[in-house]
Amino acid sequence: ELKVEQNPLFLSMQEGKNYTIYCNYSTTSDRLYWYRQDPGKSLESLFVLLSNGAVKQEGRLMASLDTKARLSTLHITAAVHDLSATYFCAVDMNYGGSQGNLIFGKGTKLSVKP
Amino acid sequence: SAVISQKPSRDICQRGTSLTIQCQVDSQVTMMFWYRQQPGQSLTLIATANQGSEATYESGFVIDKFPISRPNLTFSTLTVSNMSPEDSSIYLCSVGGWGREAFFGQGTRLTVV
Repeated sequence: ELKVEQNPLFLSMQEGKNYTIYCNYSTTSDRLYWYRQDPGKSLESLFVLLSNGAVKQEGRLMASLDTKARLSTLHITAAVHDLSATYFCAVDMNYGGSQGNLIFGKGTKLSVKP
Repeated sequence: SAVISQKPSRDICQRGTSLTIQCQVDSQVTMMFWYRQQPGQSLTLIATANQGSEATYESGFVIDKFPISRPNLTFSTLTVSNMSPEDSSIYLCSVGGWGREAFFGQGTRLTVV
């Protein structure tokens, strides 16, 4: 059974600081997604990581994937208040043939304080 | 990218009744997915809906409680039947796969009283 573990579940940061969110998964997969969710809103796609060693960056966020370690990271650089949200990682259930049915981590609730 | 329209966006329902949620996609897709997000929790896959065949349900979800229709390649419905307060959640439909992003509708916030 595929399990996805995220940590930390809660993260309070000061503006300007750096931090990393970790996402471990239990079985082989080659599709990993990062999403952002604001309170009362749906999911916003941040990154799709499709291969070992993949690294993607958008603004202050950078995501990476190590399929051998079954680990993805979401690194936050010089946090700003606008990044406050809940971040989810998700892994596709179907190795070798992504169909879009995802297992989600529990989410990391990020709060960036001035 | 895909644009997904979901409705209703929210509803308050009496226990014992049923609610049907609609999901419309702006392009043809083979598979559509329905997720549930209970208050303060992560997302859990309910079922996968293929056009022309019965939906495939995940462990813990049954067709009698969550019947799904998929009449064509751009539309699906999820019904939450015989509702109880424990069904209060956000329900989201999603499309995607084959390396592309998985896109989500805006969700239906259901409160059962």
